[in-house]
Amino acid sequence: QKEVEQNSGPLSVPEGAIASLNCTYSDRVSQSFFWYRQYSGKSPELIMSIYSNGDKEDGRFTAQLNKASQYVSLLIRDSQPSDSATYLCAVRRGDTGFQKLVFGTGTRLLVSP
Amino acid sequence: NAGVTQTPKFRILKIGQSMTLQCTQDMNHNYMYWYRQDPGMGLKLIYYSVGAGITDKGEVPNGYNVSRSTTEDFPLRLELAAPSQTSVYFCASTREDYGYTFGSGTRLTVV
Repeated sequence: QKEVEQNSGPLSVPEGAIASLNCTYSDRVSQSFFWYRQYSGKSPELIMSIYSNGDKEDGRFTAQLNKASQYVSLLIRDSQPSDSATYLCAVRRGDTGFQKLVFGTGTRLLVSP
Repeated sequence: NAGVTQTPKFRILKIGQSMTLQCTQDMNHNYMYWYRQDPGMGLKLIYYSVGAGITDKGEVPNGYNVSRSTTEDFPLRLELAAPSQTSVYFCASTREDYGYTFGSGTRLTVV
């Protein structure tokens, strides 16, 4: 079992729709969770972080965390073609005393005009 | 504020050659990392550092070496390049429990 799992996609949504990206993790004591956006040929860019159960909203983005189910998701409302990218989920493991993230392989999102 | 700066952006190496990938950050971050990213394989941690003078191996350290003589710089050394080291390399830094800031990457091809 991979430490951080994501569906590779592509996830295709029409412009204006809600895109839902999902991530599961295996380390039950993981503490911190991050979503990165990576455009083709570019470096990952941090878009959301979440540390406690529930929802966290930032503009069109909402991160959702359920530690009991070991599940974290990212919702993108009013999806735009410019949101087309690969979205990486990253988890800070609970057994490390410092910041070291484990990344999923990413979900490719395609938003069609 | 430049953030994390990586050089070079592109490089072609012949098998057996050596090179150093440079990484500098100006955010006074203690933690620095080197990752490689292969298509469909996600980011794999090569080496990391928690501060000047302290480095440790990640998941895929073979064929690489690092040093951290200052807070700002974290170079990655490739010795005896092999085709398996063809990849995109990212340097990143952070402080405490925040997400990483990544450099723009180095695309390396070994032929």
